[in-house]
Formats: sequence, structure tokens, C-alpha cells
Amino acid sequence: AQSVSQHNHHVILSEAASLELGCNYSYGGTVNLFWYVQYPGQHLQLLLKYFSGDPLVKGIKGFEAEFIKSKFSFNLRKPSVQWSDTAEYFCACHGPGTYKYIFGTGTRLKVLA
Amino acid sequence: GAGVSQTPSNKVTEKGKYVELRCDPISGHTALYWYRQSLGQGPEFLIYFQGTGAADDSGLPNDRFFAVRPEGSVSTLKIQRTERGDSAVYLCASSLMGEVNEQFFGPGTRLTVL
Repeated sequence: AQSVSQHNHHVILSEAASLELGCNYSYGGTVNLFWYVQYPGQHLQLLLKYFSGDPLVKGIKGFEAEFIKSKFSFNLRKPSVQWSDTAEYFCACHGPGTYKYIFGTGTRLKVLA
Repeated sequence: GAGVSQTPSNKVTEKGKYVELRCDPISGHTALYWYRQSLGQGPEFLIYFQGTGAADDSGLPNDRFFAVRPEGSVSTLKIQRTERGDSAVYLCASSLMGEVNEQFFGPGTRLTVL
């Protein structure tokens, strides 16, 4: 069965620190991968997505993610976080022919000013 | 343009009661999804519609849960004989069907069963 693992449940960083959030998926075929963010009191918003092509994907607000097929990973990165990045981040995937997302459990990021 | 809207934003009910949760998708989106998010967890898939029909209802936990989308737009998630374990945030999303399925989420309905 498909699954998505996010190993970091809570992350606390100071402003300007670099961020990397891990995401591993379990699926044997081609997958589409997504990172969503949920700011406090707001709904889920798409940060970035990967479906094919360049494995390094750039999203909004300076975020990027790298798809490494051999490691079944799609880690999220940002070189320098801001206080406003405080939020919960979810990795998700879906395979071909199945349109339901499989989500990870999420990572709560707190950025200290 | 308007995003996905869900009503009510909060619903408190008593164990055993019946509830209906409504989702209004983005205009023109043919696919509609329901997810449930429990505290400390990621959203879990319940059901999705392509047009008026349920294309995949494999995530519905039991026969107390049912969803409809009679005209291919607004959808209603119905829960009968609610239980305390049904307490969660119920999320709705919609998308254009295509090779890359980018889903747009609504704000959710927080259901509390006392």
C-alpha cells in the first residue's frame, strides 16, 4: 500500500537558519509528489509539486524540493527561514490512475524571531 | 475567484445524532474529494467524485458515512449515528482532472461529537 513518512514531527529553528524537512514515500510506480503548508488558522495551500522532468522543483516563498527516485524521497528545503514560515508542512503523493492523496503526518515548524 | 468553501465551519453535536457537512468546490472543477484530519495526523482520504458519481469511496470508514454530489457541483458528507471517534476536521478539495492532480482545499469543518 502507498504510504508517506515524515520523520520530523516538530522542528524549531531561528530566523535565517536553513531548513530541510524529510519526506519518504512508498510506492512502486510513477508518483506525483506535493508539499502543502498550513499556516495557523488557514487552510492547506500548495507549496510545490513534482510530476516529471527536472527533479529539483522550485515553489512559492523560496521553497524547493528535490525528488530522488533511488531514495524514494522528496525533501523540502529553504536556505533561510523567516518567522512567517511558522506553519505545519505536509508531504503528499498520488500514483497514476488513483487521484486520492496519501498524506504524511505533517511537520510542525516553529521559527523563532 | 472564489476558492473551495465549506459549511459550517464548526459543528458540535451529540453522540447518536445525524450531521451533514457541505462543500462548494471551485467553479468548473469536475473532481471533488473529502478527507478527514484527526488531531496530530495528516488528512486521510474518504471519498472522491468525478462529476456526479463516486469514483472511489474506499476511504469511508463504515456505512454510517455517505456522500452525495447530485448535480456535479456541491457535495454533502452525511454521518449517521455519530460517535465520539468521528470528531475531526473534515476537509474538502476540488481539482480539474488531468495528468497532474493539483487539489485545492477548503478551510474544513471542525466536527465535535460530545
